[in-house]
Amino acid sequence: KAGVTQTPRYLIKTRGQQVTLSCSPISGHRSVSWYQQTPGQGLQFLFEYFSETQRNKGNFPGRFSGRQFSNSRSEMNVSTLELGDSALYLCASSFTSGWSTDTQYFGPGTRLTVL
Amino acid sequence: AQRVTQPEKLLSVFKGAPVELKCNYSYSGSPELFWYVQYSRQRLQLLLRHISRESIKGFTADLNKGETSFHLKKPFAQEEDSAMYYCAPETDSGGGADGLTFGKGTHLIIQP
Repeated sequence: KAGVTQTPRYLIKTRGQQVTLSCSPISGHRSVSWYQQTPGQGLQFLFEYFSETQRNKGNFPGRFSGRQFSNSRSEMNVSTLELGDSALYLCASSFTSGWSTDTQYFGPGTRLTVL
Repeated sequence: AQRVTQPEKLLSVFKGAPVELKCNYSYSGSPELFWYVQYSRQRLQLLLRHISRESIKGFTADLNKGETSFHLKKPFAQEEDSAMYYCAPETDSGGGADGLTFGKGTHLIIQP
């Protein structure tokens, strides 16, 4: 099976712009989660989507949003970019049983730099 | 608030020595618990999860509910164990939604 893929792999934006990142899960996986990784804060959970619905959410401002399509592919959007949004954004997919957290399979990440 | 503590940022041991990576969590309920690992230039991947009670690459993890700890252990370290290790309880304890709360990680270095 092909692994989780993320596009683009690298992105440079300026403050105030918005950005959209894409994630394609492993075939058959129905849940997609997003994480932000920075040297200072480490890995932080953004949100999780299942069946096109946000099912779980971390503690991030409303500038961070996401969506999931009927084929389970997911996008996350960050509006009004700030310098502190510079990070590696990781996507993870899981089959999900629905009654407990399943093993997550991670993509390579998108490296976002905000200038 | 949910909190995960990995007290050692860096742990260096010699090959063949025992390894213990500490993890303490502060949670309501009984979360599902995971250890994830990231080897150099590879993706973050599952090492083991508590519910399966498997031993992966010689690692085991002991859950102590009283101390709310989930320490990772291996009796004899190997050079290929050098990596970044993350303790990760689920965010939605008992709720079924996926998502993990990661500790800051421990960088394990195995010296020859």
